Amino acid sequence: SQTIHQWPATLVQPVGSPLSLECTVEGTSNPNLYWYRQAAGRGLQLLFYSVGIGQISSEVPQNLSASRPQDRQFILSSKKLLLSDSGFYLCAWSWTGLSYNEQFFGPGTRLTVL
Amino acid sequence: SQELEQSPQSLIVQEGKNLTINCTSSKTLYGLYWYKQKYGEGLIFLMMLQKGGEEKSHEKITAKLDEKKQQSSLHITASQPSHAGIYLCGADGMGRGGSQGNLIFGKGTKLSVKP
Repeated sequence: SQTIHQWPATLVQPVGSPLSLECTVEGTSNPNLYWYRQAAGRGLQLLFYSVGIGQISSEVPQNLSASRPQDRQFILSSKKLLLSDSGFYLCAWSWTGLSYNEQFFGPGTRLTVL
Repeated sequence: SQELEQSPQSLIVQEGKNLTINCTSSKTLYGLYWYKQKYGEGLIFLMMLQKGGEEKSHEKITAKLDEKKQQSSLHITASQPSHAGIYLCGADGMGRGGSQGNLIFGKGTKLSVKP
């Protein structure tokens, strides 16, 4: 069976510090991978998605970047965090080549920027 | 761009009561996904609807997609405290189905069930 992991579970960082959140998927190969942010009152917003190693699409301009160094690893980064980067970050994966887009979500990382 | 509107934003029901959550799209839906989220946790997939008029059930939860494929409802029968959480509807953001691309989500409906 497939599982998706995220770490850390919670993170408190000062403004201006760097960020690295990691997501890994087990039990499947060549998945589509996604990073979402969930902020209070704003719903779930897609940040990045990837259809393969080194292939990253950004949905919104922002202070964050994503990388996919391995097939089942997706990393969200920032060089300098802003207060507005606070939120709940969710990683998700989906099968490729299907006619539908069912996505499976990780447990999330709660980021607080002070 | 496509937007999903969920109603109500929040709902408090007595245990045992039925309830309905709605999700309305500004454009035709090519795939509608219902998820449940407990606070501070990831999303749990509930059901997916693709065809106009389609209806699916799992335990006490039934989801429907209307014939025009612009509105979906999630109905819970005889609610229990375990049903409490945030329900989100999602749709293919590319507007054409397929597994590549993002899902766009409604802002969610927070359900509380009083024992």
